[in-house]
This record gives sequence, C-alpha cells and structure tokens, in this order.
Amino acid sequence: DAGVIQSPRHEVTEMGQEVTLRCKPISGHDYLFWYRQTMMRGLELLIYFNNNVPIDDSGMPEDRFSAKMPNASFSTLKIQPSEPRDSAVYFCASTRYFSSESNQPQHFGDGTRLSIL
Amino acid sequence: KNQVEQSPQSLIILEGKNCTLQCNYTVSPFSNLRWYKQDTGRGPVSLTIMTFSENTKSNGRYTATLDADTKQSSLHITASQLSDSASYICVVSVVGTYKYIFGTGTRLKVLA
Repeated sequence: DAGVIQSPRHEVTEMGQEVTLRCKPISGHDYLFWYRQTMMRGLELLIYFNNNVPIDDSGMPEDRFSAKMPNASFSTLKIQPSEPRDSAVYFCASTRYFSSESNQPQHFGDGTRLSIL
Repeated sequence: KNQVEQSPQSLIILEGKNCTLQCNYTVSPFSNLRWYKQDTGRGPVSLTIMTFSENTKSNGRYTATLDADTKQSSLHITASQLSDSASYICVVSVVGTYKYIFGTGTRLKVLA
C-alpha cells in the first residue's frame, strides 16, 4: 500500500501566480479531504469529496481556492491568484468510511509546503 | 462553540521517562476522540480512536484515556524514545455531523 501521495512536496512561487497541488488517495478509499495547517490555526478542513463529488467546501477560504476530483485516483487543489497569506502546509487525506461515528482513521499524505513570496 | 484545547503546547523530556499529554474539549454532542502523531515534515498518523463509551485504549507504549463526563482525554507515553519526538494532535468528532474539531497539538521533544 503506497499511502496517500502528494506532489509537489515543496512549492515556492511569487504572489499572483497560480498554484496547483496534487493528490493521489489510497485505492478503494471513497473519501478525500484537503486540509491546511499553520502554526497559529493548526489543521483546518478545506473541502472533502465522496466518490469524487464535493460534499462540503465550507472551509475553502475564498473564491481564489478551487478543488477538483476528476476520478477516484486523483484530486487537485488550485489557488489563483496566490497571496502570501496562503503560505502553509497543505495535506490531502483519504479514508474508506467517513462519519462522526466511524472508527476508521484518515490516512494523510506528507503534505505540500507552500511558500508565496 | 466546539473547541479542542491541548496542553502543554510543548514539552521536553529525557529518553526513558514517561509523559502525559492533555486534551480538553467542549464538543457536544461528542462522538469519538482520536489522537494522531505527526513527525516533522510528515502527515499525521492515527494512534488511537475512542468512542464515548470507551475510557482507555492502548497502542504499544501509547495509552489514551477518556473521561466523557469531564470532557478530558490524556495520552500517556511510557518509556519514551527519541522517535517519540513529534507533535501529538487530539481530534474530536461531533455526533450527526461530518465535522472533526482539531486541537493545535503538543510538540514533544525527547532528549538522549
């Protein structure tokens, strides 16, 4: 089992540029999550998908952020245009089942460290 | 407001010593509580998951306890090792929702 795979691991770009983060979930996992982690706020859920369909995007900070899941094995998180305050570590996670009562863990990738200059 | 607070923010101990990390939550109604370990530069990894009816769960040298009445959980690490140096994150889920409330973590440093 390869685990959740994210790319790139690091991204440094200038303000105003478009940034695309990529994620490959664990095969057979029906739920995919995008999180952002900062020192001040910890982990925050941005959006999650069930069977490739976005279910809750209430955590997406603003219209500059968008996420897609064109198939069960690939998702992207895009920021356009990027701003310095978007600098953070972005994690993708997947799980087979998801509910408040589920005892299934979420499996996280190793994240993309994004720096916007 | 649903919140999860962890203490201490950071902790330094010597290898071989035990330590206890705290998690207090105001989430209601509460469903389950998870502890994750996050190594530097890596994603979080699940250590334990407890429902409201469980009051203890172990994973090797890690033992989590839960008191649903006082809304407190602790993670006890026995005979610490250098590899235990990491951040430990407490996560609580709300019944009937898909919301997981994350604490900001405790950073543990184990010294030789």
